[in-house]
Amino acid sequence: RKEVEQDPGPFNVPEGATVAFNCTYSNSASQSFFWYRQDCRKEPKLLMSVYSSGNEDGRFTAQLNRASQYISLLIRDSKLSDSATYLCVVNPPSGSARQLTFGSGTQLTVLP
Amino acid sequence: DAGITQSPRYKITETGRQVTLMCHQTWSHSYMFWYRQDLGHGLRLIYYSAAADITDKGEVPDGYVVSRSKTENFPLTLESATRSQTSVYFCASSGVHSYEQYFGPGTRLTVT
Repeated sequence: RKEVEQDPGPFNVPEGATVAFNCTYSNSASQSFFWYRQDCRKEPKLLMSVYSSGNEDGRFTAQLNRASQYISLLIRDSKLSDSATYLCVVNPPSGSARQLTFGSGTQLTVLP
Repeated sequence: DAGITQSPRYKITETGRQVTLMCHQTWSHSYMFWYRQDLGHGLRLIYYSAAADITDKGEVPDGYVVSRSKTENFPLTLESATRSQTSVYFCASSGVHSYEQYFGPGTRLTVT
């Protein structure tokens, strides 16, 4: 089983739609969770950290469910500029505390 | 504020040649990382460093060498390039107080 699993998509949604991505992780002792965004042929960029209580940043909401070991990202009122690959990222407790494990990404295309 | 830079941005080399990819960060981050990204594999950690003169292997270290004599620089050397090392290479850094990593723009390496 992969440490971090995501639905690769692609998700094709119209502008203004709400879209949700889920991600599961295998190590129940994982400590830190993030969503990164990666545009085509560019570097990954931190979108938001994911906190146990859930957190929101504008149109983006991240949730963590430790009992079920999944993380979600909700994007409301999708914009064309949201088109990208979204990477679920987990800090596993094994090995160096600084290592991150990246999911393979979920591709989102927002259509006009 | 330059942040984190990589050079060269594009490189074509021949099988068997030695290649060094450079990474430089201006944040004085303690931690630095090298990843490769290939279709179907996502981001995979090659090597990381917790501080100057401290380095350790990641998931896919074979064929690569790193050094870190200064906090701001973390070069990655392919001692004898192979076609399987054709990839996009990303350098990242992280501060002491958080696990978030910040990525450079990447180097696209083609080994012919």
